[in-house]
Amino acid sequence: EDKVVQSPLSLVVHEGDTVTLNCSYEVTNFRSLLWYKQEKKAPTFLFMLTSSGIEKKSGRLSSILDKKELSSILNITATQTGDSAIYLCAVSNNNNDMRFGAGTRLTVKP
Amino acid sequence: DVKVTQSSRYLVKRTGEKVFLECVQDMDHENMFWYRQDPGLGLRLIYFSYDVKMKEKGDIPEGYSVSREKKERFSLILESASTNQTSMYLCASSFVGWTGDTEAFFGQGTRLTVV
Repeated sequence: EDKVVQSPLSLVVHEGDTVTLNCSYEVTNFRSLLWYKQEKKAPTFLFMLTSSGIEKKSGRLSSILDKKELSSILNITATQTGDSAIYLCAVSNNNNDMRFGAGTRLTVKP
Repeated sequence: DVKVTQSSRYLVKRTGEKVFLECVQDMDHENMFWYRQDPGLGLRLIYFSYDVKMKEKGDIPEGYSVSREKKERFSLILESASTNQTSMYLCASSFVGWTGDTEAFFGQGTRLTVV
């Protein structure tokens, strides 16, 4: 059975801290791994990763995929209160479905 | 911009009612998904569809059915609503381009309460 596991489930940090969120997966016919940020509404897309070892970066956020370890990390540097959200990891396969982990709830305190 | 529209933001239904949740996307995407989101459980896949009239069960299909008669519309049906189906329901769509996946685009969600 396909599985996506995120850790930690919850994290509280202070502004300026750096955080690392983890996502591991067991998926048949893996195609891509996606990260989303969800505040009070629908998830918004952050990154899509298909190749191992290639870092994707957007401002203070970056992410990398390790296909050997079946995992990905999402890094956020110099965190701000606006980074407070649930971060969701999803994995798609060649059957076209897309499964999500439980999410990491990040709280950034001033 | 891709737009995924869910017919209702909030819905209150009685136990035993048949409930229809509608989702429409305007970007000609092949893939459409229905998830429910509950605290601590993330998004759980109920059903997905990769083409008109095609559907596949996700992780929690029990108590639900779906319909995809047209490419742009994917409906989730609760045959006989129960209180344990109280949840946030999210619809999404995506397509697989010649270079691979695109991200899924989400609707705003329907918060369903079954009383």
